[in-house]
Amino acid sequence: RKEVEQDPGPFNVPEGATVAFNCTYSNSASQSFFWYRQDCRKEPKLLMSVYSSGNEDGRFTAQLNRASQYISLLIRDSKLSDSATYLCVVNDYDDYKLSFGAGTTVTVRA
Amino acid sequence: EAGVVQSPRYKIIEKKQPVAFWCNPISGHNTLYWYRQNLGQGPELLIRYENEEAVDDSQLPKDRFSAERLKGVDSTLKIQPAELGDSAVYLCASSLRSVGNIQYFGAGTRLSVL
Repeated sequence: RKEVEQDPGPFNVPEGATVAFNCTYSNSASQSFFWYRQDCRKEPKLLMSVYSSGNEDGRFTAQLNRASQYISLLIRDSKLSDSATYLCVVNDYDDYKLSFGAGTTVTVRA
Repeated sequence: EAGVVQSPRYKIIEKKQPVAFWCNPISGHNTLYWYRQNLGQGPELLIRYENEEAVDDSQLPKDRFSAERLKGVDSTLKIQPAELGDSAVYLCASSLRSVGNIQYFGAGTRLSVL
């Protein structure tokens, strides 16, 4: 079983739509969580950290459910520029190891 | 401030040839990572350095891969000899331990082994 699993998508949505997707992680001792964004043929870039209480950054909302060991990302009012692959990242704080999911691809169409 | 710098951006070699990648992390970042990313997959850690010490190289195929970070700043990853299955993007990242292990990635080296 992979440490971090994501629905690969793709999620094809029209501009202005809301899209949400989850990722699950296997290590219950994981300490911190992130969403990274990766554009086609580019490097991953931090989108946002995920806090236990949930957090928003503009149109993006991240939630953490420790009991069920999943993280979610919701994008409101989708823009064409949101088209990318979103990587779920889990940090085992003890050894500073980041485990990456394979990514969820989102395509926003005009 | 300059980000993580990697070179070359692209490399095409024939199998059994050697290849080397270079990475210069963000100034002041003591932790440096090398990842390999295959198409449609997330990055997979090859090796992690804390300053000049390799603290996690459990996923590095040591029969053909080697890495060094002699002065605790820039780093080189080498493959010798390369195999067809080594075709991938090799990403370097750096982080500052005191800032929650947020990693910043370089643009990567896209390796094609023919």
